[in-house]
Amino acid sequence: DAKTTQPPSMDCAEGRAANLPCNHSTISGNEYVYWYRQIHSQGPQYIIHGLKNNETNEMASLIITEDRKSSTLILPHATLRDTAVYYCIVRVGWDLVQGAQKLVFGQGTRLTINP
Amino acid sequence: EAGVAQSPRYKIIEKRQSVAFWCNPISGHATLYWYQQILGQGPKLLIQFQNNGVVDDSQLPKDRFSAERLKGVDSTLKIQPAKLEDSAVYLCASSYTRGTQYFGPGTRLTVL
Repeated sequence: DAKTTQPPSMDCAEGRAANLPCNHSTISGNEYVYWYRQIHSQGPQYIIHGLKNNETNEMASLIITEDRKSSTLILPHATLRDTAVYYCIVRVGWDLVQGAQKLVFGQGTRLTINP
Repeated sequence: EAGVAQSPRYKIIEKRQSVAFWCNPISGHATLYWYQQILGQGPKLLIQFQNNGVVDDSQLPKDRFSAERLKGVDSTLKIQPAKLEDSAVYLCASSYTRGTQYFGPGTRLTVL
């Protein structure tokens, strides 16, 4: 799986948009970009994923550059409950033999939302 | 729908003792994963099941760790005997064959 690079920590004011960057310059054509977050003492929570087009759901937006070498997760109106470690992961979606593929987590970005 | 269930949530044992963790995946999910998360690090895959067969256990310390998924539903992860470095959170996740992984709350193990 391709390696990702994320800043170790970020701060954002409550109510503002939080923009979390991720570099994945060695991503392959069949690899998706996934974002998970982990709030203290909880299991990782799925946020969003995409292949090449920008994606939006009720939690966040994912912007992937045209060359797919980087992406940005956007939380449009951050709240205190968004304080968590955010993981950017790239992986092949699934395999005929093994099924869904494992997630390889890095260190992630510790996002702190300040009141 | 109900999420991934794990028990116990917390466990404290002495080194060299045995411990077992249980996971009930989301109904219908064929793929089940066990991850180990050491404090300050991201989760690391220990073992992956597709139905009741193992598809990846390359990171499982097989001299002391074992896992099974009988009948392709619930799974148990066992450590025997435990070492101090096994102190971690053990996370279970599940997914459809082509789907997104969903995680349980984890079991926090402390080995004294």
